[in-house]
Amino acid sequence: LAKTTQPISMDSYEGQEVNITCSHNNIATNDYITWYQQFPSQGPRFIIQGYKTKVTNEVASLFIPADRKSSTLSLPRVSLSDTAVYYCLVGDAGNTPLVFGKGTRLSVIA
Amino acid sequence: NAGVTQTPKFQVLKTGQSMTLQCAQDMNHNSMYWYRQDPGMGLRLIYYSASEGTTDKGEVPNGYNVSRLNKREFSLRLESAAPSQTSVYFCASNLGAPGANVLTFGAGSRLTVL
Repeated sequence: LAKTTQPISMDSYEGQEVNITCSHNNIATNDYITWYQQFPSQGPRFIIQGYKTKVTNEVASLFIPADRKSSTLSLPRVSLSDTAVYYCLVGDAGNTPLVFGKGTRLSVIA
Repeated sequence: NAGVTQTPKFQVLKTGQSMTLQCAQDMNHNSMYWYRQDPGMGLRLIYYSASEGTTDKGEVPNGYNVSRLNKREFSLRLESAAPSQTSVYFCASNLGAPGANVLTFGAGSRLTVL
């Protein structure tokens, strides 16, 4: 099971770009990297997933270096509604279980 | 599509009582999971079921039992509830195919044990 390490918390002002890095030194060949967002009193929801290099969707980008031992979630121009906890999950659903790390609590300030 | 449905949403128990949390998914997913989340903490895996007919322990299985009733349903049972089991419980599912580890979560079941 790939163990992940993230900063416990981050603060950002509205309109700034936020980068959250996740360390996963023992990632396996078949593992994918998936990021989730969780608001209070809700279940986590999927943001983005990648295997290597860069992935971009309508809400975020995911940067994965060649050695895959870390990944960075990039949120462009955050707003107050992006205040949430962000989890990095590393694993291969064909080789369960899927264990979460402690997550990063992002606070966006006006 | 309902996605992942959990019942009940809220429950209060007394120490020693038993109860079952129900979870159902309508996405034809193979794998299902139960997590607990204590206040201000991350998600911890209790049990999971990689496919119908199989269940395995996660990080914190003590005090819980599970049943994968069929492909759609995965229940979590507390035989003798303890205050330490006060938490929010999330059920999740995914396709279970290699690489496809995008989890869909339910809305959660908030359990208080007095």
